[in-house]
Amino acid sequence: AQKITQTQPGMFVQEKEAVTLDCTYDTSDPSYGLFWYKQPSSGEMIFLIYQGSYDQQNATEGRYSLNFQKARKSANLVISASQLGDSAMYFCAMIPNNAGNMLTFGGGTRLMVKP
Amino acid sequence: ETGVTQSPTHLIKTRGQQVTLRCSSQSGHNTVSWYQQALGQGPQFIFQYYREEENGRGNFPPRFSGLQFPNYSSELNVNALELDDSALYLCASSTGAGSPYNEQFFGPGTRLTVL
Repeated sequence: AQKITQTQPGMFVQEKEAVTLDCTYDTSDPSYGLFWYKQPSSGEMIFLIYQGSYDQQNATEGRYSLNFQKARKSANLVISASQLGDSAMYFCAMIPNNAGNMLTFGGGTRLMVKP
Repeated sequence: ETGVTQSPTHLIKTRGQQVTLRCSSQSGHNTVSWYQQALGQGPQFIFQYYREEENGRGNFPPRFSGLQFPNYSSELNVNALELDDSALYLCASSTGAGSPYNEQFFGPGTRLTVL
């Protein structure tokens, strides 16, 4: 079975600064996908970024980048130049190779951006 | 293209009742997954439907059941409601259950309260 751990229940960041949200995972599958989702108070899960276990380079999507350290089984999300609209819950999730599209989520981190 | 929609938005039921939640998948998507998100936690996978067949199930009792229709919309049915069933129920659609790396698009969720 796979497991996702997010150790930061809540984080504060000053507007325009960068912030790192931690995520560690555990799986016995050699092939897997890692995802980050944003969930604003409205409830909808918004896809941010994806990293495949065999990708050689860290994924980037605009202000989002994923710091993937395979040996340490960590997949931290870095948000650069934080904006007030970034305040939300952030979830790390994974899909192992044999589980189709069945996401396993971590417990989430609440990010609060201060003006 | 239209996104994933869910109905109703909110629902209040009493213990022992039955409930049906509905999800319309994004255009062109043939796979629908359902997740339960209790307050303050990450979503948990309930089950997935691919081309009208159940394609995987999480650790949920049989009173949680579902359907997928020829247009790939889906229903989640919960019988004999319990207080712990109170949660946000999220539906996600994607293309091709066979690949683990297809992005899942989430709907806004249905918030169920069981009294």
